[in-house]
Amino acid sequence: SQTIHQWPATLVQPVGSPLSLECTVEGTSNPNLYWYRQAAGRGLQLLFYSVGIGQISSEVPQNLSASRPQDRQFILSSKKLLLSDSGFYLCAWRQGRSPLHFGNGTRLTVT
Amino acid sequence: AQKVTQAQTEISVVEKEDVTLDCVYETRDTTYYLFWYKQPPSGELVFLIRRNSFDEQNEISGRYSWNFQKSTSSFNFTITASQVVDSAVYFCALSEAYTGNQFYFGTGTSLTVIP
Repeated sequence: SQTIHQWPATLVQPVGSPLSLECTVEGTSNPNLYWYRQAAGRGLQLLFYSVGIGQISSEVPQNLSASRPQDRQFILSSKKLLLSDSGFYLCAWRQGRSPLHFGNGTRLTVT
Repeated sequence: AQKVTQAQTEISVVEKEDVTLDCVYETRDTTYYLFWYKQPPSGELVFLIRRNSFDEQNEISGRYSWNFQKSTSSFNFTITASQVVDSAVYFCALSEAYTGNQFYFGTGTSLTVIP
């Protein structure tokens, strides 16, 4: 069966520090991968999605970036965090027309 | 334009009451998929149901039921005899065949079931 792992679960980082969140999927190949952000009490905002290795589509211009170095690995990064980057980050995968399957999320607080 | 609208931001019901969460979608595609997800306080998003545009049969799963009506572009979710464990944020979502890589989520409805 397929599983998705996302870490860390919580993170507190100072403004201006770098960020790296990692997501891996097991049990499937060539999935579509997604990064969403959810601000407190708000809806889901799609940040990036990827249909294959090295293929990244950005939905929202910001100081975040994403990379997909391996088929089942998706990384969200920032060189310098802003206070506004605080939120709940969710990685998800999808195969064909299947539902999106989400990881448990990372709660990021930028101080 | 918002492709998925969940007009109810917050709903509170007393335990054992029935509650319906509304979802209205917008698409020009003839082939599309509709979804409901549950986000409990712990934060993870749990998939509840998927419906494709060619299947308008209503579905029931235990206390949950879904009413899909293409004529009104709605995909409503009803919880019968609500329980405290149903307290969560519920998201409706749309995926279109021609932009199949994208999911469009509504803004969510926060349901509180009062014991």
